[in-house]
Formats: sequence, C-alpha cells, structure tokens
Amino acid sequence: DTGVSQNPRHKITKRGQNVTFRCDPISEHNRLYWYRQTLGQGPEFLTYFQNEAQLEKSRLLSDRFSAERPKGSFSTLEIQRTEQGDSAMYLCASARTNTEAFFGQGTRLTVV
Amino acid sequence: GDSVTQMEGPVTLSEEAFLTINCTYTATGYPSLFWYVQYPGEGLQLLLKATKADDKGSNKGFEATYRKETTSFHLEKGSVQVSDSAVYFCALSDLGNTPLVFGKGTRLSVIA
Repeated sequence: DTGVSQNPRHKITKRGQNVTFRCDPISEHNRLYWYRQTLGQGPEFLTYFQNEAQLEKSRLLSDRFSAERPKGSFSTLEIQRTEQGDSAMYLCASARTNTEAFFGQGTRLTVV
Repeated sequence: GDSVTQMEGPVTLSEEAFLTINCTYTATGYPSLFWYVQYPGEGLQLLLKATKADDKGSNKGFEATYRKETTSFHLEKGSVQVSDSAVYFCALSDLGNTPLVFGKGTRLSVIA
C-alpha cells in the first residue's frame, strides 16, 4: 500500500493555459475523489468516481474543469483556460466503498 | 445540505495544555464523523472517526465523541505537544453514499 500519489506536486502556469493533474489511488480502492482547497478554507468537493463511472460532476466549478478515470485506475483533472482564481491546492482521495478516504499530498496550482 | 462548523482559529497553546476544538454539524441522515489533520506541507491524514451516536474515536491521545443530541464531535487532547501543531478539519460523510463535507479548519500552534 503506497498511498495516494499526486503529480505534479507544484504547477505554475500562465493565465489562459491548460493544465492537467494526475492522481494514482491506493490499489483496489474503487472510489476516487477530487477536492479543491484554498487558503484558510476546508477542502471543497469537486467530483468523484466509482471505478470508471463519474457519479457526481455538478460540483465542478465551471465547464473549464473536467475529470476522467479511464479503466477505473488513475484519474486526471484538467483545467482549461486557467484563471488566477483557479490558484489553489487540488487534492485527490481514494477509498473502498463504506470506508474512510485517504488523501494524497495535493497539487498546488499557481496561475500567474 | 449537510454542513460542518468548527471553531475559528488560530489556537495557540503551551505544551502540555488541554486542547478542545469544537465541531458541530448539520445533516439530514446519520453521518459518520471524522477529524483529519494537515501538517505543514503535507496532505490530509485521518486522525480519528466515529460512525454512530455515542461512539468515541481516539488516536495519538486525541479523542472525540459522536453526540447526536447536540450534533457535535468536539476534538480533545489532554496534553498537547509541539508536534501537534497543524490544521485540524472536522468532516462528515454518509460512508456508503456521499463525499466528505469539511469544516473550514482550525490551526493549532503549540509553543514550548
């Protein structure tokens, strides 16, 4: 059990560029969650998957945000046409159904 | 919708002092309750949990009791250490169905 892995750990991008983050969950965890955390706030839920099915995506912040989990393994979160307000920590977590979630160390995005 | 309210920080204590961080929740069902901790530069780690009323979660000297009558899950520790300095998040989830809902977090600083 190597834990939830997120890459990259840090990303600096220019406004208007697209960025993609990757999350590798704990093996055999069928659920995968994406959250956003801004300074001084708790994590804010964005979307989640059960295996390859995206069960909830209405909480994605805008249509510039999208997520995939092909084959029910790793997941990617993409932000198109980044804005300065997208600067935040993006957290991934995984879980087996009916058990608690384990978090990765996050990807810190800075949009300049 | 479901929500979590926790006491504002920062909280500054001397080593060996008693700690209480208040957390109350609003939920339509019977959620499980959690405390997560975030050390500087790291991701969220599960500290403790309770899945039903009157359950007490405990770990590393921290305790919290699920109080349905007061909808609370206050975090306590009898004697804090400098190494406990971190941000603490109260959260809830219906483990079978819903992602975690977090409070805003409480920053704890313990000074020697």
